[in-house]
Amino acid sequence: QKEVEQNSGPLSVPEGAIASLNCTYSDRGSQSFFWYRQYSGKSPELIMFIYSNGDKEDGRFTAQLNKASQYVSLLIRDSQPSDSATYLCAVDTGFQKLVFGTGTRLLVSP
Amino acid sequence: DAGVIQSPRHEVTEMGQEVTLRCKPISGHDYLFWYRQTMMRGLELLIYFNNNVPIDDSGMPEDRFSAKMPNASFSTLKIQPSEPRDSAVYFCASSHGGLAGELFFGEGSRLTVL
Repeated sequence: QKEVEQNSGPLSVPEGAIASLNCTYSDRGSQSFFWYRQYSGKSPELIMFIYSNGDKEDGRFTAQLNKASQYVSLLIRDSQPSDSATYLCAVDTGFQKLVFGTGTRLLVSP
Repeated sequence: DAGVIQSPRHEVTEMGQEVTLRCKPISGHDYLFWYRQTMMRGLELLIYFNNNVPIDDSGMPEDRFSAKMPNASFSTLKIQPSEPRDSAVYFCASSHGGLAGELFFGEGSRLTVL
């Protein structure tokens, strides 16, 4: 079993809709969770992080964490074509060491 | 402010040749990471340094790979001899250790081994 699992997609949503991206992880001891966005041909960039169970909102983005279910999600409200990218879920396994999922490709159509 | 700088951006080489990838982290960052990204395996951590000292190299695929960080502003990842399966994008990232997981990535070095 991979440490961090994501559906590779693509996830296709129309402009203005809510995009929901999901991630599961295997290490119950993990404490910190991150979402990176990677445009095609570019490097990953951090967009959200979450430590506590529940929701964390930042603009159009909401990260959700459920440690009991070992589940992290990212919601993007009012999706825009510029949100089309691959979204990488990452888990801090300790000592600054991040493990990444393989990413979910999001396509937002005008 | 300059970000993480990697060179070369693209490298095409033949099997058996030595490849050296270079990275300059953001000034003041005391963690440096080397990742490899492929379609099949995603982003994999190869090795990381803290204050120029290698902390975890368990992701280095085999003895053909080596990494060094002689000072706080420079690191190299070397592959010798290179093989076609090493073809990937190699990312260097740095962090200041404050928010664990806040990595700043370079633009990557795309390696093709023929």
